[in-house]
Amino acid sequence: DIQMTQSPSSLSASVGDRVTITCRASQTIGMYLNWYQQKPGKAPNLLIYAASNLESGVPSRFSGSGSGTDFTLTISSLLPEDFATYYCQQSYNLPPTFGQGTKLEIK
Amino acid sequence: QVQLQESGPGLVKPSETLSLTCTVSGYSISSGYYWGWIRQSPGKGLEWIGSIYHSGNTYHNPSLKSRVSISVDTSRNQFSLNLNSVTAADTAVYYCARGRGSTTNWYSDYCGQGTLVTVSS
Repeated sequence: DIQMTQSPSSLSASVGDRVTITCRASQTIGMYLNWYQQKPGKAPNLLIYAASNLESGVPSRFSGSGSGTDFTLTISSLLPEDFATYYCQQSYNLPPTFGQGTKLEIK
Repeated sequence: QVQLQESGPGLVKPSETLSLTCTVSGYSISSGYYWGWIRQSPGKGLEWIGSIYHSGNTYHNPSLKSRVSISVDTSRNQFSLNLNSVTAADTAVYYCARGRGSTTNWYSDYCGQGTLVTVSS
């Protein structure tokens, strides 16, 4: 299985900050990388697919980049509703695997 | 609007079979997509269990060996998960999800709200 490693595991930031979360794959996965946001008690919600494509309805302050083994999720200016846990997931091959998550907390 | 809803017992005894059903509304399963299950536990994070295409082709996580069975009932617009020989390690929140992409390029664009299943005697 492809291992996905996110960093940092947790992050404290303030409203208005720009934040970047990194995801690294254990082998090259092209651009088969997806990002989800999860709030407590809720299901993961798709933000970005194929590394850089914004899912319909997702605000443009979210963006994704990268290819191969290294990927980033950037939130350009944090809003209160963005404090949540973020997961990357590879869809290069089966089984799809997820990173361990990055918990974004209010400073 | 596509909606998915899990249903099934919240408590299962060790060595027995966990059975969950996902009812889909707002989209016909027989029209396409890969319908799947993922689970989330504190110890293992998010884990993909498996998926099924409307034609009945199934794919499952090898880590669960042969314990997983996924089926589809297009007449009821439902798909189901059976996980047998459960242990405490199978305690998790189980989500059903619609998978976009393809057979191998699976990622979910819609999820159910999740259902907690506890394995305990």
